[in-house]
Amino acid sequence: QTVVTQEPSLTVSPGGTVTLTCTSNTGAVTSGNCPNWFQQKPGQPPRALIYCTSNKHSWTPARFSGSLLGGKAALTLSGVQPEDEAEYFCLLYFGGADWVFGRGTKLTVL
Amino acid sequence: QVQLVQSGAEVKKPGASVKVSCKASGSTFSDYYIHWVRQAPGQGLEYMGVLYYNADTTSRTQKFHGRLTMTRDTSTNTVYMELSSLTSDDMAVYYCAREHHGGFFDYWGQGTLVTVSS
Repeated sequence: QTVVTQEPSLTVSPGGTVTLTCTSNTGAVTSGNCPNWFQQKPGQPPRALIYCTSNKHSWTPARFSGSLLGGKAALTLSGVQPEDEAEYFCLLYFGGADWVFGRGTKLTVL
Repeated sequence: QVQLVQSGAEVKKPGASVKVSCKASGSTFSDYYIHWVRQAPGQGLEYMGVLYYNADTTSRTQKFHGRLTMTRDTSTNTVYMELSSLTSDDMAVYYCAREHHGGFFDYWGQGTLVTVSS
């Protein structure tokens, strides 16, 4: 069974920088896994931020960026704002209909 | 503006089936893939399966084989997700999400709460 792992929780100060990561138990995450990142606030549906590693949507704030770092997918927030406090999920592709979500990272801005 | 509008909350008894709709406004589903994802209370997101809209074919994760049916109505630009043999483990918010070919997820529905209770 494919398991995708994220940090359960992270805390960052306003204006700071934080990197969230996404790993797979099947091996290194590559561009072929087409990592997507989503932000979810309580009571709301997920909102797409990044697709296929590093591509931003038209609504994605410039302070969000996606990359591959050392075999992991990564989401970096630079200049964190209070409104960035949310849960963040990654989604990886493993072929066919095999998309797998990470368990999510709860980001606290404090 | 693109919106995916889902049907309202459902309450079902164990063993029953539920059918959730997802209607596109401001766009059509043509040329897109429509995925279904669920989220149990206080839990993370769980991927269920996908409807390849133009081809009208589907694929689902092993967990939902035999229980998950995804269909479309091209006349109303609506897709449907039906889950059968419900148990309390199926209590969750169900979301539809749109994907461009190549892994480009963009818009999500607002979610539909499914409660399973005797």
